Amino acid sequence: GQNIDQPTEMTATEGAIVQINCTYQTSGFNGLFWYQQHAGEAPTFLSYNVLDGLEEKGRFSSFLSRSKGYSYLLLKELQMKDSASYLCAVRGDDYKLSFGAGTTVTVRA
Amino acid sequence: TAGITQAPTSQILAAGRSMTLRCTQDMRHNAMYWYRQDLGLGLRLIHYSNTAGTTGKGEVPDGYSVSRANTDDFPLTLASAVPSQTSVYFCASSDSPGRGSDTQYFGPGTRLTVL
Repeated sequence: GQNIDQPTEMTATEGAIVQINCTYQTSGFNGLFWYQQHAGEAPTFLSYNVLDGLEEKGRFSSFLSRSKGYSYLLLKELQMKDSASYLCAVRGDDYKLSFGAGTTVTVRA
Repeated sequence: TAGITQAPTSQILAAGRSMTLRCTQDMRHNAMYWYRQDLGLGLRLIHYSNTAGTTGKGEVPDGYSVSRANTDDFPLTLASAVPSQTSVYFCASSDSPGRGSDTQYFGPGTRLTVL
């Protein structure tokens, strides 16, 4: 079975940095994805990691450690529009995505 | 480009009635998926299709059926709806389902309430 854990909620101030952690135990590993989902909208792709290390994409960065079954999404210079849910998803050996329950980030002025 | 469209946007359905949720993509993607999203549980895969003419069961397939007659369309049918099928349903598509980096793109969702 697949087990993907991430915190339920996080709150941060505009301009600050927030780190969303994701730990996983899955049958095989073929990559880890982060999606952003605003309330009432579809999830949209943010990042993909398959090798250990940090992938930087503008204000967003994603890190992966396969040996620890651990990833984080780092959001820098937070803006009000970053208030959303962030979904961690792992592709297992069946090539299907398994999703965590999501972390709701609230950005306060 | 529209990407992925879903219909209806929302629906209230009496228990025991049947319903088909529609999904169409214009990206010529090979694979399509149906997920349900429930509070606290995240997205769960119902059924998928890696290519036109083939379908497979996901994590929670019971009570749902799908067909994939062509590349663009992937309807999801509830033959006899039950209240536990109240959820938000997302359709997704991707180009290369056998590749680790294959990215799924999601439609806007259908909010279904079964009473």
